[in-house]
Amino acid sequence: AQSVAQPEDQVNVAEGNPLTVKCTYSVSGNPYLFWYVQYPNRGLQFLLKYITGDNLVKGSYGFEAEFNKSQTSFHLKKPSALVSDSALYFCAVRFPYSSASKIIFGSGTRLSIRP
Amino acid sequence: GAVVSQHPSRVICKSGTSVKIECRSLDFQATTMFWYRQFPKQSLMLMATSNEGSKATYEQGVEKDKFLINHASLTLSTLTVTSAHPEDSSFYICSASLGGLGVETQYFGPGTRLLVL
Repeated sequence: AQSVAQPEDQVNVAEGNPLTVKCTYSVSGNPYLFWYVQYPNRGLQFLLKYITGDNLVKGSYGFEAEFNKSQTSFHLKKPSALVSDSALYFCAVRFPYSSASKIIFGSGTRLSIRP
Repeated sequence: GAVVSQHPSRVICKSGTSVKIECRSLDFQATTMFWYRQFPKQSLMLMATSNEGSKATYEQGVEKDKFLINHASLTLSTLTVTSAHPEDSSFYICSASLGGLGVETQYFGPGTRLLVL
């Protein structure tokens, strides 16, 4: 079955330290991968996506993610965390050329940055 | 660019009444829009895919007669929760798809919090 997993419910990082939010996927074929962020009582904001090309994708607010085909992972990273990065992060996967254009979301990881 | 709005942001209604939620793509046209439901501390659950000018495609387990979707134009989709009950209370989020075939990105609205008393 095609799925996406975020193994950590919560990640705690001190401000200024690097952060990583993990995502792995299980699909047949080459997926399109996305990261979204959700602030309290808000909709999701698009951060970045991987379609093809360079495995390192740069996105909004200084975030980047690395596509690793052999490990079927797409971890979200940032070199230096800010308190304002505290939010709920969702990894999502879409299967190319699927007629419904549906995406599947991971369960979400709550990122908490302490001052 | 790629801004999606939802109205209302919050609604409280009595059990048995119907509630309409609007989703608009403000600066682009969206052939496809999606409706999601999110329970507290959980991920988004896709309810239905809304295509302009045609019937919506509902996910398994979602009652199409209860959650009526209309996609009348390339910038507007509406979700009507009919005969709402307390168990329908939730956070409803829409998204609109932008981009070429196969490489679309979904952009999300801010969500609508529904509370049914």
